[in-house]
Amino acid sequence: DTAVSQTPKYLVTQMGNDKSIKCEQNLGHDTMYWYKQDSKKFLKIMFSYNNKELIINETVPNRFSPKSPDKAHLNLHINSLELGDSAVYFCASSQGPRGEQFFGPGTRLTVL
Amino acid sequence: DAKTTQPNSMESNEEEPVHLPCNHSTISGTDYIHWYRQLPSQGPEYVIHGLTSNVNNRMASLAIAEDRKSSTLILHRATLRDAAVYYCILRASGTYKYIFGTGTRLKVLA
Repeated sequence: DTAVSQTPKYLVTQMGNDKSIKCEQNLGHDTMYWYKQDSKKFLKIMFSYNNKELIINETVPNRFSPKSPDKAHLNLHINSLELGDSAVYFCASSQGPRGEQFFGPGTRLTVL
Repeated sequence: DAKTTQPNSMESNEEEPVHLPCNHSTISGTDYIHWYRQLPSQGPEYVIHGLTSNVNNRMASLAIAEDRKSSTLILHRATLRDAAVYYCILRASGTYKYIFGTGTRLKVLA
């Protein structure tokens, strides 16, 4: 069974569209994260939720809105997509905000 | 946030030990040292972490300098599956963030 899963794996869309990426973890963890890895391979934290409460909110455009319906899910909605949003987005989870993080396989977003 | 410095790339022969260095001269007393690695086309995976003492687990060993300004990740016998980018990360005990650097790309030669 996959511990942290993301859908879709690939997402190709036009500028200006709105899209969502879903993340689910079956590890029973209480903390989840979204990271962005750009074309230069820099991996940067975007958001983190602990028990459905936002605990990390980096300098991210407000076009990005995370939503945590329960502890096992953290979805990422992106409005008005721009070319610069093209990247690989990774979801991760941990037990507690200081625990070892388990990463999903990533979603490659391409904005045309 | 304290920063880490790692070589961009390293090579190793299969079945030989690999020592991956990391400098963190601005580390504070409560910063934990974490290592993650990212295999090609995958998400990062946890390798090991420590605070002051050397640490061992099934994947690797972490040797931390006495002054804590540097550390070394040791893979005891490199295999082709260990080819990845290895990230050395500092996390302050009072924060939840990992700050990933550029990492070291390890190439393992058969």
